[in-house]
Amino acid sequence: ELKVEQNPLFLSMQEGKNYTIYCNYSTTSDRLYWYRQDPGKSLESLFVLLSNGAVKQEGRLMASLDTKARLSTLHITAAVHDLSATYFCAVDIGGNQFYFGTGTSLTVIP
Amino acid sequence: DAMVIQNPRYQVTQFGKPVTLSCSQTLNHNVMYWYQQKSSQAPKLLFHYYDKDFNNEADTPDNFQSRRPNTSFCFLDIRSPGLGDAAMYLCATSRVSRLPYNEQFFGPGTRLTVL
Repeated sequence: ELKVEQNPLFLSMQEGKNYTIYCNYSTTSDRLYWYRQDPGKSLESLFVLLSNGAVKQEGRLMASLDTKARLSTLHITAAVHDLSATYFCAVDIGGNQFYFGTGTSLTVIP
Repeated sequence: DAMVIQNPRYQVTQFGKPVTLSCSQTLNHNVMYWYQQKSSQAPKLLFHYYDKDFNNEADTPDNFQSRRPNTSFCFLDIRSPGLGDAAMYLCATSRVSRLPYNEQFFGPGTRLTVL
């Protein structure tokens, strides 16, 4: 059974601090996506990672992909309150099939 | 603006009363997906259409059906909703092409309440 696990599930951090969210998956894939979801809202695409070693950055968020380790990270730099949301990774296994991670609920405290 | 639209945004139904959720897209994407997302859980893929080809996930209950009458529209039918079917239902689209990725675009979702 394919598993996509995120760590941590809940994260409370102070403004200005740095932290990393981890996404581990149990199958072979070189395509991984990160999404943000605000409470009661839909999913907003953040990053598309397409190969081993891929790194993408947007503002205070940076995502990377290590396909050999089956690991993706989402690094938060100098967190601000507006980043409070739930973050999901999703693994593309081909055939139009996507498996989402368990989600990480991030709360940034002033 | 090109987008994915879901109607209604909120749907209340009674236990056992059939309900249909609608999704439309102006992106001209060839793949449309339906996901179920229960509170504090990850979205779970129910099925998808690749053009007219229907692809059901193995663990999707028979109670859930889908129709795609044309490229732009896709419907989710829940034949006999149970209390456990209360969830947010997300529609997504993507374009399968020669590009090495298949990025999904999500609609705003329909929150279903079953009384």
